[in-house]
Amino acid sequence: LAKTTQPISMDSYEGQEVNITCSHNNIATNDYITWYQQFPSQGPRFIIQGYKTKVTNEVASLFIPADRKSSTLSLPRVSLSDTAVYYCLVGEWSGGFKTIFGAGTRLFVKA
Amino acid sequence: DAGVTQSPTHLIKTRGQQVTLRCSPKSGHDTVSWYQQALGQGPQFIFQYYEEEERQRGNFPDRFSGHQFPNYSSELNVNALLLGDSALYLCASSLWSGGSSYEQYFGPGTRLTVT
Repeated sequence: LAKTTQPISMDSYEGQEVNITCSHNNIATNDYITWYQQFPSQGPRFIIQGYKTKVTNEVASLFIPADRKSSTLSLPRVSLSDTAVYYCLVGEWSGGFKTIFGAGTRLFVKA
Repeated sequence: DAGVTQSPTHLIKTRGQQVTLRCSPKSGHDTVSWYQQALGQGPQFIFQYYEEEERQRGNFPDRFSGHQFPNYSSELNVNALLLGDSALYLCASSLWSGGSSYEQYFGPGTRLTVT
């Protein structure tokens, strides 16, 4: 199983760009990298997913280097409402999908 | 378009009892996964159901069992409840994509308290 390692917490200010890096040294060839956001007492919410290079959607960008041993979630111009826990995970396919969540990164955005 | 729904929202049980939690997947989804999330921890994968069969299982004892119905909804059953089973139980639905990219939609969860 590909385990992931992320910083435990990060602080930022409103309007700044936030980059959260995740390490996944044992990622398998077919694995995708997925990021989720979770607010207290709610289920995680899908943010972005990628396989290699760069992926961008309306809320975030995901950068994946050629060796795919790490990935970086980039949140442009964060606001107070972006304060949440962010999870990086790698899904393993083996006749079904088993996803392993780590402890996540607690992002705190200050005014 | 209804998202993932779970019931009940909250539940209080006594140690040794049994509990059943329910989940309806997002419209169009055929796969349901269950997670346990203790306070301050990331979600822990319990198992995944597709075509009414358990396809993957995490590191949980046999006290945890499940079922998927023909309409894709699912139940999570926990027998002989322990105090340590107190957690937020999350249901996630997805499409059975056969190993390609994988996106899950999570429900709001059921908060189980065991006393």
